[in-house]
Amino acid sequence: EVQLLESGGGLVQPGGSLTLSCAASGFTFSNYAMSWVRQAPGKGLEWVSAISGSGGSTYYADAVKGRFTISRDSSKITLYLQMNSLRAEDTAVYYCAKGQGRGIQTMDVWGQGTTVTVSS
Amino acid sequence: QSALTQPASVSGSPGQSISISCTGTSSDVGGYNYVSWYQQHPGKAPKLMIHAVSNRPSGVSSRFSGSKSGNTASLTVSGLQSEDEADYYCTSYTSSSTLVFGGGTKLTVV
Repeated sequence: EVQLLESGGGLVQPGGSLTLSCAASGFTFSNYAMSWVRQAPGKGLEWVSAISGSGGSTYYADAVKGRFTISRDSSKITLYLQMNSLRAEDTAVYYCAKGQGRGIQTMDVWGQGTTVTVSS
Repeated sequence: QSALTQPASVSGSPGQSISISCTGTSSDVGGYNYVSWYQQHPGKAPKLMIHAVSNRPSGVSSRFSGSKSGNTASLTVSGLQSEDEADYYCTSYTSSSTLVFGGGTKLTVV
């Protein structure tokens, strides 16, 4: 069974940093693109970032470009999201999602999410 | 990248059919056959319902179907059931090699 388990969320001050992790199991990790999607309280889904199976290609939404870095470690079967210069508007539940294949176009399995709160 | 446009809410009675539209541009919905639809119940993670415009993943009810015409994609739910009550989001691949979501549609089964 494919499973994704996010961790690393918490309360951080504006301007601070946080790293989210997503532990994967049940599939050949390096064969699939992975994404991060967030959902602010009471709001809709917002795509944040994606990475190819090899890790060689990364993609970012304009709202986080230059502040967030997506990465993956195949030896640890884990996806990461390094978040710097955090703002109040980054407050959200962050989901990691598995790509349906090598492309980023479809996300077929989602984790349960980890909550990030940016506040002083 | 602007969000795709979805109606805020739709409603229907049990057994009826409803459709949810998702309007973008030629740089996203109209330019690629990479429209997906996700269902989200309150407090739960999203679930993939339709991918590549009209393809249903294994395990998803045949009551869910998708289509596209020009810059607008649609999700149709037939034979409405109470468990279909949820939020629905479309997403599309874009010419910037990113993904963009719609604002979401709350489906109420009355």
